[in-house]
Amino acid sequence: GAVVSQHPSRVICKSGTSVKIECRSLDFQATTMFWYRQFPKQSLMLMATSNEGSKATYEQGVEKDKFLINHASLTLSTLTVTSAHPEDSSFYICSASGPSASPTYEQYFGPGTRLTVT
Amino acid sequence: QKEVEQDPGPLSVPEGAIVSLNCTYSNSAFQYFMWYRQYSRKGPELLMYTYSSGNKEDGRFTAQVDKSSKYISLFIRDSQPSDSATYLCAMMLSGGYNKLIFGAGTRLAVHP
Repeated sequence: GAVVSQHPSRVICKSGTSVKIECRSLDFQATTMFWYRQFPKQSLMLMATSNEGSKATYEQGVEKDKFLINHASLTLSTLTVTSAHPEDSSFYICSASGPSASPTYEQYFGPGTRLTVT
Repeated sequence: QKEVEQDPGPLSVPEGAIVSLNCTYSNSAFQYFMWYRQYSRKGPELLMYTYSSGNKEDGRFTAQVDKSSKYISLFIRDSQPSDSATYLCAMMLSGGYNKLIFGAGTRLAVHP
């Protein structure tokens, strides 16, 4: 159990366009979802935390108008990178946690989405 | 100073060796300590978690926490080539959907 999926796994887009990444909890209700960014050979950096039905809480230095996060249901959160630029190219990973996950503080990670902006 | 320090390696060991991975932290308020394994181009998977000082064992893996020294370790016994991955330590202030603070990750290669 506790499977998290992401779609797409890989996306290439042109500079200036927007791209949406989906994160789904497949077998549990995720009251909280987290979005991370990972550069090559570096650790995960938390971008934002979203609770179902609420506005996301962004970490310091993350542009909320550029990285739009929506957590409309207990099984789906989306990250939209708006007006993407080459420096936005990265590996984006989501994780999910919720009362039906066990232990409750555990975050279950998705497989990640590789974004390349040309 | 980073909240969580971890040597990025890489660490290369022969099959069967005992591997020791370590992290130090500065925030004494951290209560939960985790070790994640991440294969290339994949999301992290939880290996072990603990919330108290001492040792916790699970098969070939042993997690050790020393809160007085703000130091945690992961030991892998009888290492296998399939253990080759990046190992990330992570810490949380308290339970219940709180954010994880990750170390930089240590890249481990176990060669036959």
